[in-house]
Amino acid sequence: QVTLKESGPGILQPSQTLSLTCTFSGFSLSTYGMGVGWIRQPSGKGLEWLANIWWDDDKYYNPSLKNRLTISKDTSNNQAFLKITNVDTADTATYYCARIPLDGSYDYWGQGVMVTVSS
Amino acid sequence: EIVLTQSPTTMAASPGEKVTLNCLASSSVSYMNWYQQKSGASPKLWIYGTSNLASGVPNRFSGSGSGTSYSLTISSMEAEDVATYYCLQLSSYPFTFGSGTKLEIK
Repeated sequence: QVTLKESGPGILQPSQTLSLTCTFSGFSLSTYGMGVGWIRQPSGKGLEWLANIWWDDDKYYNPSLKNRLTISKDTSNNQAFLKITNVDTADTATYYCARIPLDGSYDYWGQGVMVTVSS
Repeated sequence: EIVLTQSPTTMAASPGEKVTLNCLASSSVSYMNWYQQKSGASPKLWIYGTSNLASGVPNRFSGSGSGTSYSLTISSMEAEDVATYYCLQLSSYPFTFGSGTKLEIK
């Protein structure tokens, strides 16, 4: 059974760094072809793809966030991470992590974690 | 970046009515994926590889298209289909979502 769960700070102030953790089970990020992505959704708005990391440590980012993103993984502990530097109120959103197999799509999603950026 | 334009933005359909949601890509993509999101819930994979139904998706749903034009069709609208539907392209980075179609029932 595949499950993913996001965790984060809940609230943080502008200019701080947001650190998110995705803890998953039922698959391994050391398995050929496996990947994890991060997607966010401001309240009442659409989905925005942020970043993806693959089993071979290949990483891809949304260029619209201008080098503020860093994705990483801890294969031993079945976790993936996302850092967003210099946050602003526009980063207030629900953040999701999701599994993606190579040549597939995001097939399992976490429940999401709500993050609020406020002074 | 490939921009996905979904239409209509919002629509309402009667029970039993046929529904078609559209997704237009700014450049050609190899295939399209669709997600269903109900209020307060995470998105669910609904259709992958343009026309393959994800596990548990009723067969009144279908997907089609090629190149820059894709669609999701419901052959007979049911109350449980009320949701927002998003298309997603994975053909090139950055991956991009459409802005969604909110489907309501009359």
